[in-house]
Amino acid sequence: SQQGEEDPQALSIQEGENATMNCSYKTSINNLQWYRQNSGRGLVHLILIRSNEREKHSGRLRVTLDTSKKSSSLLITASRAADTASYFCATKSREDSSYKLIFGSGTRLLVRP
Amino acid sequence: ETGVTQTPRHLVMGMTNKKSLKCEQHLGHNAMYWYKQSAKKPLELMFVYSLEERVENNSVPSRFSPECPNSSHLFLHLHTLQPEDSALYLCASSDRGLAGETQYFGPGTRLLVL
Repeated sequence: SQQGEEDPQALSIQEGENATMNCSYKTSINNLQWYRQNSGRGLVHLILIRSNEREKHSGRLRVTLDTSKKSSSLLITASRAADTASYFCATKSREDSSYKLIFGSGTRLLVRP
Repeated sequence: ETGVTQTPRHLVMGMTNKKSLKCEQHLGHNAMYWYKQSAKKPLELMFVYSLEERVENNSVPSRFSPECPNSSHLFLHLHTLQPEDSALYLCASSDRGLAGETQYFGPGTRLLVL
């Protein structure tokens, strides 16, 4: 079954606005990570939140985790045109082998100048 | 730059060709991964190597053949591919062997099979 489904699939906002992306997953997790991918490039790790954490900040990024709802959100504040990219959540399951990261389909974010 | 390089960046091949993708990591990691990324689909894990030993082969067709000669290099040998194999192939590495939490990705090889 698919782990890590992002919502929405696509998001278009004006520069300066906040962008919120959501991720839902199915199994018990060890941690959840968010990655960013610029068009046709590799993924870049943004932030990791562990199953015993509820919120984490890194610069303009804020991640929340609700293990009871099996969901996470990524908030990008004061967005910039350079934030335009696809954003993926990835989960490390407690049940699968420890090395596996299961990625969602991603949210495509467009920040209009 | 993430410390993971991939060559070539773009590849066009016919279905009867044989080619190889190369990945090199300069991070001192000891686990390496191949992923396939197709349009509008989640990343698919293909192979995992830890300490040069293959520990995962995710039901990948035999026309894809990985090779890991040492902990810094990973290859994906391609032969008799199909058009549906056209995709972005991403290499990644992680620290602390199989327990590495964060993966570092290369820029990918965009493959087109004609």
